[in-house]
Amino acid sequence: EVRLSESGGGLVQSGGSLRLSCVASGFIFGGYPMNWVRQVPGKGLQWVSTISGTGDHTYYADSVKGRFTMSRDNSKNTLYLQMDSLRAEDTAVYFCARGPPFDYWGQGTLVSVSS
Amino acid sequence: DIEMTQSPSTLSASVGDRVIIVCRASQSISGWLAWYQQKPGKAPNLLIYRASTLESGVPSRFSGSGSGTEFALTISSLQPDDFATYYCQQYDNYPWTFGQGTKVEIK
Repeated sequence: EVRLSESGGGLVQSGGSLRLSCVASGFIFGGYPMNWVRQVPGKGLQWVSTISGTGDHTYYADSVKGRFTMSRDNSKNTLYLQMDSLRAEDTAVYFCARGPPFDYWGQGTLVSVSS
Repeated sequence: DIEMTQSPSTLSASVGDRVIIVCRASQSISGWLAWYQQKPGKAPNLLIYRASTLESGVPSRFSGSGSGTEFALTISSLQPDDFATYYCQQYDNYPWTFGQGTKVEIK
């Protein structure tokens, strides 16, 4: 059974940093690109970043480019999102997802940035 | 960036109704379109990919159609479990983009 489980969310002040993790199981992790998608509570979905299966290539939304860094450790089946210079508008539930298409999602972790 | 526009934003329907949600892309996406269902407090669930391919385990009352810039998600006979918010997403070009969502409510 494929499972994705995020952790690392929490409350942080504007300008601060957080690192999210997503642990995967049930599939050959290194064989798939992975993604972070966020959702402001009550609002729509926003793609944040994608990393290739090998980790050699990363892609970011303009709104986070230069502040967020996505990485992966295929030996640990774990995906990361290092979030620096956080802003109030980064407040959201962050999901990790496999794909595209995004066929498996984690349960999400809430990041709250106070101004 | 490719803009995805869904219509309607909200849809009121009854159990048994045929429901159609439309998604338009601001440029051709060559069929690289997915549809997701999301219920409150839960992660989205993939329904359709490549515009018309049904994801394994998804009921056959869901179907996708379209090409180029115009796509549709059809629910042939709405069931109580289908009241949710639906999103389209293009994965043809970065940045991947989602539609704003269509909330299907009970009439």
